Amino acid sequence: GNSVTQMEGPVTLSEEAFLTINCTYTATGYPSLFWYVQYPGEGLQLLLKATKADDKGSNKGFEATYRKETTSFHLEKGSVQVSDSAVYFCALSDLSSDNAGNMLTFGGGTRLMVKP
Amino acid sequence: EAQVTQNPRYLITVTGKKLTVTCSQNMNHEYMSWYRQDPGLGLRQIYYSMNVEVTDKGDVPEGYKVSRKEKRNFPLILESPSPNQTSLYFCASSLWTGNTGELFFGEGSRLTVL
Repeated sequence: GNSVTQMEGPVTLSEEAFLTINCTYTATGYPSLFWYVQYPGEGLQLLLKATKADDKGSNKGFEATYRKETTSFHLEKGSVQVSDSAVYFCALSDLSSDNAGNMLTFGGGTRLMVKP
Repeated sequence: EAQVTQNPRYLITVTGKKLTVTCSQNMNHEYMSWYRQDPGLGLRQIYYSMNVEVTDKGDVPEGYKVSRKEKRNFPLILESPSPNQTSLYFCASSLWTGNTGELFFGEGSRLTVL
């Protein structure tokens, strides 16, 4: 079956530090990969996505590259801000899997805390 | 404004007392789904619906029911809640267009079962 593994948090950084949140996946088909962000008290919202190998998704200064050879989709940002404090979820979509109705398989989430 | 609306946002109840969490979307989406979020486990799918009158089980359906009588609404029903259903619940919707993966989430409903 499909699965997504993320580094455990919390990750605590100072403002302007470099961020990496690791994500690896297992899928039976050719998945699309996503990062969602959950700000305090809110629902999840799509941050970026990549639909095929070697694609790079980017948004709001965040980037992630779909690496099929290492089955990874690590999230990076060159200079974090206090407003980036949130929980980040890596996810995959693989409609060729047995449970095609489960549009997204999520990782466990990584909490990021950015201090001024 | 395009949105997914859940109610209630917070609820404390007791074991065995039936409750319903409502979910409504105004984007004319075919696909709707319920997730529960628990620490360290990410989001796990409870039930989903690909269109009106079409529902199916997700990964953790035990103890839950759903219905999809109208396209915009997808209520989650707990017939006899138990403490292990204490969780944060999210409703989500999407156009059913393959691996686009863009789900639109509600703000969540935090349920405590005593």
